[in-house]
Amino acid sequence: AQSVTQLDSQVPVFEEAPVELRCNYSSSVSVYLFWYVQYPNQGLQLLLKYLSGSTLVKGINGFEAEFNKSQTSFHLRKPSVHISDTAEYFCAVRRNQGGKLIFGQGTELSVKP
Amino acid sequence: ETGVTQTPRHLVMGMTNKKSLKCEQHLGHNAMYWYKQSAKKPLELMFVYSLEERVENNSVPSRFSPECPNSSHLFLHLHTLQPEDSALYLCASSLEEAGELFFGEGSRLTVL
Repeated sequence: AQSVTQLDSQVPVFEEAPVELRCNYSSSVSVYLFWYVQYPNQGLQLLLKYLSGSTLVKGINGFEAEFNKSQTSFHLRKPSVHISDTAEYFCAVRRNQGGKLIFGQGTELSVKP
Repeated sequence: ETGVTQTPRHLVMGMTNKKSLKCEQHLGHNAMYWYKQSAKKPLELMFVYSLEERVENNSVPSRFSPECPNSSHLFLHLHTLQPEDSALYLCASSLEEAGELFFGEGSRLTVL
């Protein structure tokens, strides 16, 4: 079975500072990895995904994530955040042979002026 | 027209009421999902429909009854709910092979 751990429940950061949201997963088989964002009072929106190929994945809104197989991590980064990036971020994993998407507990990113 | 549309966006109901949540997807996907999102808790997968057949039911109480009449529509029928059922209910759809879920904006349910 797969599982996902988001190591920080809340991350406060100042505007224009860099940010990293951490995600670790466990799985005995190959997986697909995802980051979703949820703005207040909205559903989840896909930020980026890793299916195969290059381990550095670029997504929307200037976010990127790096798949590290040896450390079973898929951390999300942005070099300079904006107030509008304030939201909840969810890491998720799914077997590449199918099966349900497993979500982490979420990380609340709060960007302050 | 957005990809996945949920109605109503907000619903307040008493414990003896019967109501339904509706989800519609315009993406040509063949799988649809109901998730429950409660405050301070991880997303809980409730039901999965693939090709209009229910393939997963994660020990959800019978007061929640899903219905998938076709690949574009998904309902969640609600009856005799409890206050602890108050949450954001999210619908999603996907193409099984791609593994990516597309979510609706959710239906915020409050049970009094």
